[in-house]
Amino acid sequence: EPEVTQTPSHQVTQMGQEVILRCVPISNHLYFYWYRQILGQKVEFLVSFYNNEISEKSEIFDDQFSVERPDGSNFTLKIRSTKLEDSAMYFCARRTSGSQTQYFGPGTRLLVL
Amino acid sequence: EDQVTQSPEALRLQEGESSSLNCSYTVSGLRGLFWYRQDPGKGPEFLFTLYSAGEEKEKERLKATLTKKESFLHITAPKPEDSATYLCAVQAGGGGSNYKLTFGKGTLLTVNP
Repeated sequence: EPEVTQTPSHQVTQMGQEVILRCVPISNHLYFYWYRQILGQKVEFLVSFYNNEISEKSEIFDDQFSVERPDGSNFTLKIRSTKLEDSAMYFCARRTSGSQTQYFGPGTRLLVL
Repeated sequence: EDQVTQSPEALRLQEGESSSLNCSYTVSGLRGLFWYRQDPGKGPEFLFTLYSAGEEKEKERLKATLTKKESFLHITAPKPEDSATYLCAVQAGGGGSNYKLTFGKGTLLTVNP
């Protein structure tokens, strides 16, 4: 099954800056997820997005995070004021209706200095 | 709270030396158990989904099995290209879960030629 693509592949930013990570589905999927993986740690769920609305979010997903699908195609994760501890790999995943399986993108490596 | 524990944390095998990876889980109503492969710096790559105890899935040198408390990933006659981190994840049941995945820390498999 085709995956999603993510841009950028790498991003370096200064603490306090805003970053936008993008996920581009290959086809018109309805169910999207963001996960993050801090170096050496497990993959952690951030948020699920269905039909242009957040359907569930974790404790990690606080007010500095937001998601949207601005043009009906790209799916974005915005971090408003980055912190050092936001440095991680961020993965977008998609799921099709009728399937429980999530397929992951290649990730964006975010480094906050 | 859903929990996934994988063992061992790391496993080193000689080419052709078969072994098994373990994933034990605690979840409030298992909807599905997933195995992914992750190469360094890449996103998780889907391998298997298991839905109920007794189920088995096979793909090339890999075979996944499921009981009510754990899952095993059996690797038969591994090759160096099987070297990767293998991730186990669970999906809990219930109306509000939205199919989010809870991951274990993974098992780093190294296969020496």
